[in-house]
Amino acid sequence: DTEVTQTPKHLVMGMTNKKSLKCEQHMGHRAMYWYKQKAKKPPELMFVYSYEKLSINESVPSRFSPECPNSSLLNLHLHALQPEDSALYLCASSRGQGSSGELFFGEGSRLTVL
Amino acid sequence: AQSVSQHNHHVILSEAASLELGCNYSYGGTVNLFWYVQYPGQHLQLLLKYFSGDPLVKGIKGFEAEFIKSKFSFNLRKPSVQWSDTAEYFCAVGAAGNKLTFGGGTRVLVKP
Repeated sequence: DTEVTQTPKHLVMGMTNKKSLKCEQHMGHRAMYWYKQKAKKPPELMFVYSYEKLSINESVPSRFSPECPNSSLLNLHLHALQPEDSALYLCASSRGQGSSGELFFGEGSRLTVL
Repeated sequence: AQSVSQHNHHVILSEAASLELGCNYSYGGTVNLFWYVQYPGQHLQLLLKYFSGDPLVKGIKGFEAEFIKSKFSFNLRKPSVQWSDTAEYFCAVGAAGNKLTFGGGTRVLVKP
């Protein structure tokens, strides 16, 4: 079991829908991440929050909108997605931002856009 | 910016065989090195990591990796694999303060 919890595990949405992915950790970590993983590909970084502030946005389209309400929660709001956005969305956390520490990953939310 | 290359996309081997997965990176400065594993249907988890010190690093489940600075390599090894080692393995590299960069992954299938 992972200490990073993601909901929902599966989501199917139409291109006009608005939905959100949620992530929660209670390890006291101060950095949280969203990654996108397509089939048979490595995870690709989307966003990094450090101390609840957005510190990295990897040129992600605005139809993906991250939010960090507090140090334990991370949301990804989805609107007007395209079928090519279908993927596994992974949340991760670490003690601090950067590569000096281990990332703890959630099990992911598998998104299908119709 | 750093980049990571994993040589093998797929590896198939029998139980008790030895496993070695190659990982090379490109970056001119000091790096931190990781191997992550993703078992079927499970989350990514850390196998082992190297920050400094002894270049031979031991991780969980009998895995080890050797950092060879002159070759920019961080190869993963296990002397005798089990069926339960079937998984996808990702090498990852990060420069201090920067994001992690993952390699393309190697799918390992261990036949019982």
